[in-house]
Amino acid sequence: SYELTQPPSVSVSPGQTARITCSGDALPKQYASWYQQKPGQAPVLVIYKDSERPSGIPERFSGSSSGTIVTLTISGVQAEDEADYYCQSADSSGSSPYVFGTGTKVTVL
Amino acid sequence: EVQLVQSGAEVKKPGESLKISCKGSGYRFSSYWIGWVRQRPGKGLEWMGIIYVGDSDTRYSPSFQGQVTFSADKSISTAYLQWSSLKASDTAMYYCARHNCSGGNCYFHSWGQGTLVTVSS
Repeated sequence: SYELTQPPSVSVSPGQTARITCSGDALPKQYASWYQQKPGQAPVLVIYKDSERPSGIPERFSGSSSGTIVTLTISGVQAEDEADYYCQSADSSGSSPYVFGTGTKVTVL
Repeated sequence: EVQLVQSGAEVKKPGESLKISCKGSGYRFSSYWIGWVRQRPGKGLEWMGIIYVGDSDTRYSPSFQGQVTFSADKSISTAYLQWSSLKASDTAMYYCARHNCSGGNCYFHSWGQGTLVTVSS
């Protein structure tokens, strides 16, 4: 089955930049989305179509894509950005319509 | 404002059946797909599948095909996730979400608050 791989954890100091990667073989052909999930809460969409930001999401959240890797960047990290982050994309083979990445815990030091 | 409100927490025994719901408001419910996502305790998100409310067309993840059933009643703007025989391994938080597609990209735009399902003897 198709898999999207993320680092388990990323640590960053307030005001610095956090980068979270997501790798998958189909990413050159498929767009990715990113979700933020804080403890005890439902996920929230923060990026779609690799780099588009929904209304209401702060500008410090941005996305990019290069080959088999997509990246979520949080610039000027704030304490409130501490959360789990998941990428999501489609499997181009069609065996599984969509999958989530393994998830990354962002810790603000 | 788009809102998805899910039914309350459930505690069931193995082998029992269950149907949980997701009621939408603030948009034309029948014109969108609704997706379901599982999150086991302390674990990541799992994409279960989607249902088009307008005609009940469904797409299941291979991992969930045959294990659960999606349905929808567009007259009351409600989607459902059901099990015919629960197992302890079904213990999880279940989220519904509105599935948006734009320019070749599909994603979950708005989420329900989640329904906690606990299966224990």
